[in-house]
Amino acid sequence: DAGVIQSPRHEVTEMGQEVTLRCKPISGHNSLFWYRQTMMRGLELLIYFNNNVPIDDSGMPEDRFSAKMPNASFSTLKIQPSEPRDSAVYFCASRTGNSYNEQFFGPGTRLTVL
Amino acid sequence: AQTVTQSQPEMSVQEAETVTLSCTYDTSENNYYLFWYKQPPSRQMILVIRQEAYKQQNATENRFSVNFQKAAKSFSLKISDSQLGDTAMYFCAFGHNNDMRFGAGTRLTVKP
Repeated sequence: DAGVIQSPRHEVTEMGQEVTLRCKPISGHNSLFWYRQTMMRGLELLIYFNNNVPIDDSGMPEDRFSAKMPNASFSTLKIQPSEPRDSAVYFCASRTGNSYNEQFFGPGTRLTVL
Repeated sequence: AQTVTQSQPEMSVQEAETVTLSCTYDTSENNYYLFWYKQPPSRQMILVIRQEAYKQQNATENRFSVNFQKAAKSFSLKISDSQLGDTAMYFCAFGHNNDMRFGAGTRLTVKP
């Protein structure tokens, strides 16, 4: 298995532009998580899906952020419009079963908003 | 809300020696899970060890072991026979249902 796949690995954009981050979870995993990592705030859970349904999006910082999971093998995190303070590494993780099971993380997308 | 505190921003240890990383958490839940993740310079998050709160026996994975004190809400990680490859950020995490909260991390440097 290729593990969790994220694209792009690096994204540089200008303030005000729309940014879309993509994630392909491990096949068979029924839970998917989006995290944001910054020096100031550490690793924050933004949203998680269970069986493609968003369960808790309380971590999403603003309405500028949205996430979708149209099917079991694909999810997107969109920022529109982007701002410099959105610069961070965004991780996607997937897991099967319950909370005890390991979350497998993707390599992350480093986003820089100029 | 659950919170996870790692009070040691940075630590260092000599190769082959033992080091303990601290973690405390706050929760009103009785059933939950605790994890230690490692993030080397490659940025990849790697699970090191995990513990179920209802199990009293401390988890062990090769050179890695935990000291889980449920009443004190403490979950420390001990790394024995430290190796250069252990140099990384270490994150303590609390899991309940589908929620996951991470501590701020401890940067560990293993010195040759």
